[in-house]
Amino acid sequence: ETGVTQTPRHLVMGMTNKKSLKCEQHLGHNAMYWYKQSAKKPLELMFVYNFKEQTENNSVPSRFSPECPNSSHLFLHLHTLQPEDSALYLCASSQDRGWSNQPQHFGDGTRLSIL
Amino acid sequence: AQTVTQSQPEMSVQEAETVTLSCTYDTSESNYYLFWYKQPPSRQMILVIRQEAYKQQNATENRFSVNFQKAAKSFSLKISDSQLGDTAMYFCAFMRAYNNNDMRFGAGTRLTVKP
Repeated sequence: ETGVTQTPRHLVMGMTNKKSLKCEQHLGHNAMYWYKQSAKKPLELMFVYNFKEQTENNSVPSRFSPECPNSSHLFLHLHTLQPEDSALYLCASSQDRGWSNQPQHFGDGTRLSIL
Repeated sequence: AQTVTQSQPEMSVQEAETVTLSCTYDTSESNYYLFWYKQPPSRQMILVIRQEAYKQQNATENRFSVNFQKAAKSFSLKISDSQLGDTAMYFCAFMRAYNNNDMRFGAGTRLTVKP
């Protein structure tokens, strides 16, 4: 049983569609993260939220739009994606971005396929 | 910037035998944390073991142990008595001990345990 839940588990969409990925954590954490995981590449950090404030945007294209309404929920809104955006999108949370020794807890990810 | 390198894209081991996964990193920091995560086919990233850079003693968690060589910036994972359930992607990760302590991941090593 994971403390970080992601929905949907799989998503297939066309390039002109608009969809959203959802992440919810039940761990009482204050920091949440979006990662992109592509085959044979290191995990790419996309966005970081700490106490609902975005503290990191790792040069992510504007077709990805994050939203963090509270410390427990994180969304990734998708619009006009490209085929190279097909990947596994992982959400993670940690106690606090400033805490030095707390590892991140991950969800199961959303497998995104762009047609 | 910190980088993490896993030079073995794929490895295999016979059940009950021992295998070592390699990881090197590059940093100018003196205090930091290192982690090994496991990602089975179910996709959830699970923390396997962690090491604090200021501790000389190598971390151990049941069948999992690390060989931390700070001067060489090496952090290998040893899995003893390998089990079929150990089949997964293994990611090495680095985290600074201070602000902006986001994790940096290696590209991963795919480990297959053969019966």
